[in-house]
This record gives sequence, structure tokens and C-alpha cells, in this order.
Amino acid sequence: KQEVTQIPAALSVPEGENLVLNCSFTDSAIYNLQWFRQDPGKGLTSLLLIQSSQREQTSGRLNASLDKSSGRSTLYIAASQPGDSATYLCAVGSGNTGKLIFGQGTTLQVKP
Amino acid sequence: DVKVTQSSRYLVKRTGEKVFLECVQDMDHENMFWYRQDPGLGLRLIYFSYDVKMKEKGDIPEGYSVSREKKERFSLILESASTNQTSMYLCASSGHLGQGAAGANVLTFGAGSRLTVL
Repeated sequence: KQEVTQIPAALSVPEGENLVLNCSFTDSAIYNLQWFRQDPGKGLTSLLLIQSSQREQTSGRLNASLDKSSGRSTLYIAASQPGDSATYLCAVGSGNTGKLIFGQGTTLQVKP
Repeated sequence: DVKVTQSSRYLVKRTGEKVFLECVQDMDHENMFWYRQDPGLGLRLIYFSYDVKMKEKGDIPEGYSVSREKKERFSLILESASTNQTSMYLCASSGHLGQGAAGANVLTFGAGSRLTVL
């Protein structure tokens, strides 16, 4: 059974710092991996999707990498801003139904 | 942009009541999902549907049922609400993989429905 783990559970950094959020999964036979952002009391917003054949995806200050063989993905946030404060979740898709298995998230606080 | 709309942001119900949570998407997506999110447990899949009138159990279907009579609408039903069903409920949709491209696979979520059962 696929399990997705995110470490650390919480992270606090000063504004301007570059940071990396980690995601690991137990079964390397994945279809894709997505990173989401969730603001308190809100739904999830998709940030990046990496297909299993890809190694990374970039969107603005965000870069997500995927290493299937080691069961890891990272989300790199450059020049962090207070507006980046949120919970970041990674989710693994193992089939073609769009069904995802989620990690528990990393709550990021960026201090001004 | 794809929009997924959940009809109620906050609901308060009593134990034993029947509860309907409605979800509508406007992008002709095949796949629709209901998750619940609880502190310390993360998001857990309740049910999903990949076509009209089709449904599949997720990881925690007990105490829930679903209905998908139209492609754009996916309803979650709590036949007899219990206090342990107090939670944030999130609906999502995604396109068919045959549509190709990353956009078809991206899961789009609604804003969530926070249900409290007293």
C-alpha cells in the first residue's frame, strides 16, 4: 500500500530564504506526483504536477523534482515571502483514475 | 479556469440527521472525488466517480454514500450523521487521461465544507 510522508511537519524561515520541502513515497510505481498549497480553512490549490516520466517542473519561484527510484520529491521555493505561508501537501497518483494518496503536509511560516 | 463549487461552506447538524453535501464542476471533467481532512490524519478518500452513475469506494467509505446522476454533480450523503463525521469535506475533479497533457490530470479542489455534528 502506498504511503506518502512529508518531513518536516512544520517549518519557520525568515523572509528571503530559499527552502526545500521533502516528500517521500514507498511504492515507486507512480503515475504522477502533485504538489498543492492549502491556506487555513480553505481548499487545496494545485501548484505543480510531475508526470512519472519527468524529472522536474518549474513555475515561477517554485521548482519540484521527482526521483522515482529513491521514492522522493522535493519542492524548492526560492526567495520566500510572507505570502508563501501555508501548508504544502504532496500527493502521489498511482493509476489513471486521478486518485491520489496524500502526505500530511508541511506547514510553512515565512516571517517578515 | 476549472471551478469546483461546494454548496455549503459551514454546516451544523445533529446526530442522526441525513446530510447532503453537493459539489458541482464546470469543466466537463470525468473524475470526481470526495475527501475528508482531519488534523493528524491528512486527506482521506471517501468515494470517487469516473463517470456518470459510476462510483468507487475510497479508503474510508463507511457511513457515507454518493450519487452522480449528472456529469457535473457529485453528492456526498451521510445517511445518519454521527459526531465522528465532524470534519472538513473536500470535493475535487480531474479530467480524463485521454485528454492528454498535464492539465487533464490536475486535481482541482473546491473550497471545502466544514461539517459539525452535535
